[in-house]
Amino acid sequence: QKEVEQDPGPLSVPEGAIVSLNCTYSNSAFQYFMWYRQYSRKGPELLMYTYSSGNKEDGRFTAQVDKSSKYISLFIRDSQPSDSATYLCATTSGTYKYIFGTGTRLKVLA
Amino acid sequence: NAGVTQTPKFQVLKTGQSMTLQCAQDMNHNSMYWYRQDPGMGLRLIYYSASEGTTDKGEVPNGYNVSRLNKREFSLRLESAAPSQTSVYFCASSDLTQYFGPGTRLTVL
Repeated sequence: QKEVEQDPGPLSVPEGAIVSLNCTYSNSAFQYFMWYRQYSRKGPELLMYTYSSGNKEDGRFTAQVDKSSKYISLFIRDSQPSDSATYLCATTSGTYKYIFGTGTRLKVLA
Repeated sequence: NAGVTQTPKFQVLKTGQSMTLQCAQDMNHNSMYWYRQDPGMGLRLIYYSASEGTTDKGEVPNGYNVSRLNKREFSLRLESAAPSQTSVYFCASSDLTQYFGPGTRLTVL
């Protein structure tokens, strides 16, 4: 079993839709959770970072962590064509080991 | 503030050739990493350096060597390139979250 599981998609939504991206993880020692956005032929770009359980909001993006079910989510409100990218979840226990999901491809249709 | 920079952006090698991928960061981070990214495999850690003067193997170190030249720079060397090393290589540095460079697209023929 992979330590972090992420549905690869692709996920296609119309412009303006609410997008929900999800990951599950297996190790309860993970404390820090991140979402990265990766445009085609570019490096991953840090979008959101949360510690432990709860929600964090930044503009149209909300990151949610539920440690009891080992489930992390990224919600995108009012999605735009410019949000079309691959989204990677990542986690770490605070050591040098980071675990990444394989990424979900999102396409927002104009 | 350039963040993490990588050179070259693209490279084509023949089997058996050697090359060094360069990485530099200007965020004063202690930790630096090298990953490769392949379709369907996600990001896989090759080597990391927790601090200047230390390096450790990651998940897929075979066929690679690294040098942490100073706090800013961390290089990845392929001594004898193989077609299986065709990939996109990313360097990253971190405080707690990781920041990635733009990548090097390597093809080994």
